[in-house]
Amino acid sequence: DTEVTQTPKHLVMGMTNKKSLKCEQHMGHRAMYWYKQKAKKPPELMFVYSYEKLSINESVPSRFSPECPNSSLLNLHLHALQPEDSALYLCASSHQGTIYFGEGSWLTVV
Amino acid sequence: GENVEQHPSTLSVQEGDSAVIKCTYSDSASNYFPWYKQELGKGPQLIIDIRSNVGEKKDQRIAVTLNKTAKHFSLHITETQPEDSAVYFCAARETDSWGKFQFGAGTQVVVTP
Repeated sequence: DTEVTQTPKHLVMGMTNKKSLKCEQHMGHRAMYWYKQKAKKPPELMFVYSYEKLSINESVPSRFSPECPNSSLLNLHLHALQPEDSALYLCASSHQGTIYFGEGSWLTVV
Repeated sequence: GENVEQHPSTLSVQEGDSAVIKCTYSDSASNYFPWYKQELGKGPQLIIDIRSNVGEKKDQRIAVTLNKTAKHFSLHITETQPEDSAVYFCAARETDSWGKFQFGAGTQVVVTP
């Protein structure tokens, strides 16, 4: 089983809203990731958590705030987003270097 | 840093024919090369991968070949079916780089009946 579960599947938020994306995996993977994907483009790495500690932040604006409450959960807190932040947000986890993606959360900022 | 080029950007094949997608990478330290299939509205799904100590790997109708000397790797799909229609991404990763994959730009594959 290589399942990464993301909620919600779709989210529409205003530029002044605060919302969160959630990700869960029960495969015992110790690395978890957030990627952003725009239409017709490959995924772009945002954050990497290794053993529940933030190990990589790809210079992501502070309006995106990741959180890893435990080894199975990963959140992405969103605040004061811009319309250009509308995209598919993908969570992933990895085992022995192999990355498994979730189905993504479609975010629309209005 | 790593740079991955993927060709072609679109590929139209007749059902039953073979499809080949090629990627080249720049960093000789890269040692892991996965391929992902992304259907419309879904997340990327790992379909096959290869590590640098292997030259070829096959899984049913899908195969991947790696030429370390030339720094390129290819995805081969035989006996294509309409459900193979999707965007395919290649990627390359260095050892111990924690998810810093460099993805290719993607190939839109359309299989026509």
